[in-house]
Amino acid sequence: DQQVKQNSPSLSVQEGRISILNCDYTNSMFDYFLWYKKYPAEGPTFLISISSIKDKNEDGRFTVFLNKSAKHLSLHIVPSQPGDSAVYFCAASGAGGTSYGKLTFGQGTILTVHP
Amino acid sequence: DGGITQSPKYLFRKEGQNVTLSCEQNLNHDAMYWYRQDPGQGLRLIYYSQIVNDFQKGDIAEGYSVSREKKESFPLTVTSAQKNPTAFYLCASSLQPGRANYGYTFGSGTRLTVV
Repeated sequence: DQQVKQNSPSLSVQEGRISILNCDYTNSMFDYFLWYKKYPAEGPTFLISISSIKDKNEDGRFTVFLNKSAKHLSLHIVPSQPGDSAVYFCAASGAGGTSYGKLTFGQGTILTVHP
Repeated sequence: DGGITQSPKYLFRKEGQNVTLSCEQNLNHDAMYWYRQDPGQGLRLIYYSQIVNDFQKGDIAEGYSVSREKKESFPLTVTSAQKNPTAFYLCASSLQPGRANYGYTFGSGTRLTVV
């Protein structure tokens, strides 16, 4: 049962353009969402997060949008840079139930930014 | 510098052998986690511990065991009962148990290969 889904395994974007990575979730108990970036043979690093009381959070070139009614969030990177090429994981946590205190991750999307 | 140290970076195991992956943190974090990464499946939770001398099974605990005798250490043993142990293993920690919205700090991972 995949509670957090990233349906696009890969995304290819030209440098300077916008990258949009998508994530869907099914568990209505999730109330906090995070994006992590991961390079090969390294651990993921935290990128940006959003609470369910907000619909948008921005940090420099990175913006996360949350649509609670659709159980959908997206990460926008603009402008995209070659150094952004990595695997991006969406993750979610909940205030209660079986999701309490744990992060549930999506499958990841491989982003490639071409110069 | 504070962080999480996983060792070894690469590990080879023969069929039928148990192996132990080390995870040490000096962040004074209470909670620690073990995840496994397989291609196309994202990060899946094996075990987690929210306090010393206590730990809980995650989604894929079969064939694994852990201990949490010290706050700083959360070793993972991959037993011979784990049918498909070849994977990339990630250890993480968080400041407060139960509130994953503080984010996780990840180690750099251990690549385990069965030979």
